[in-house]
Amino acid sequence: TQLLEQSPQFLSIQEGENLTVYCNSSSVFSSLQWYRQEPGEGPVLLVTVVTGGEVKKLKRLTFQFGDARKDSSLHITAAQPGDTGLYLCAGVVKYSGGGADGLTFGKGTHLIIQP
Amino acid sequence: DTEVTQTPKHLVMGMTNKKSLKCEQHMGHRAMYWYKQKAKKPPELMFVYSYEKLSINESVPSRFSPECPNSSLLNLHLHALQPEDSALYLCASSQGRWEEQFFGPGTRLTVL
Repeated sequence: TQLLEQSPQFLSIQEGENLTVYCNSSSVFSSLQWYRQEPGEGPVLLVTVVTGGEVKKLKRLTFQFGDARKDSSLHITAAQPGDTGLYLCAGVVKYSGGGADGLTFGKGTHLIIQP
Repeated sequence: DTEVTQTPKHLVMGMTNKKSLKCEQHMGHRAMYWYKQKAKKPPELMFVYSYEKLSINESVPSRFSPECPNSSLLNLHLHALQPEDSALYLCASSQGRWEEQFFGPGTRLTVL
């Protein structure tokens, strides 16, 4: 069972359009993180949301954490070709053996912005 | 220095070979991670070291063996791998549990 469900999995839109990516779970997370990954590179953190109902803005990107801390969304305004990439939401899970937690990722949204 | 470095960048190995992947960070982070990523899939956690203590994802086969010589270095020893182990292997580090994970560029592994 996938802990974090992301939708859509693939999205191809024209430059200048708006879009929203969703990350949903039946579990409550203390925080959710959003990453962006380009081909052949590691993921790069965009934002961490911690408080239920929290909204964070990063230029044209707006991130929201659901009131119940089970879901999050990423909204991009006036998308540009440079926004193309794999967008991943991630939550912290605890693995057996103690120690630090690791991230569990959603399946990701492959976003293509066409000029 | 906010960089996580990984070597080698690419690795091709046979099923009988023994090889090692290396990861290094100098940010003073006390948690380091190995992830495996197949094409068009999200990263999957393999191992976590926190203060040089290992946590294991129990689904990882024993042909993968992690090692943390010190708080800045993380190795992944590979032995008798299968072709399905071909993937991008990502290393990451973080200061604490809820904090940002910094990822390296990955090692692209191909098992023949």
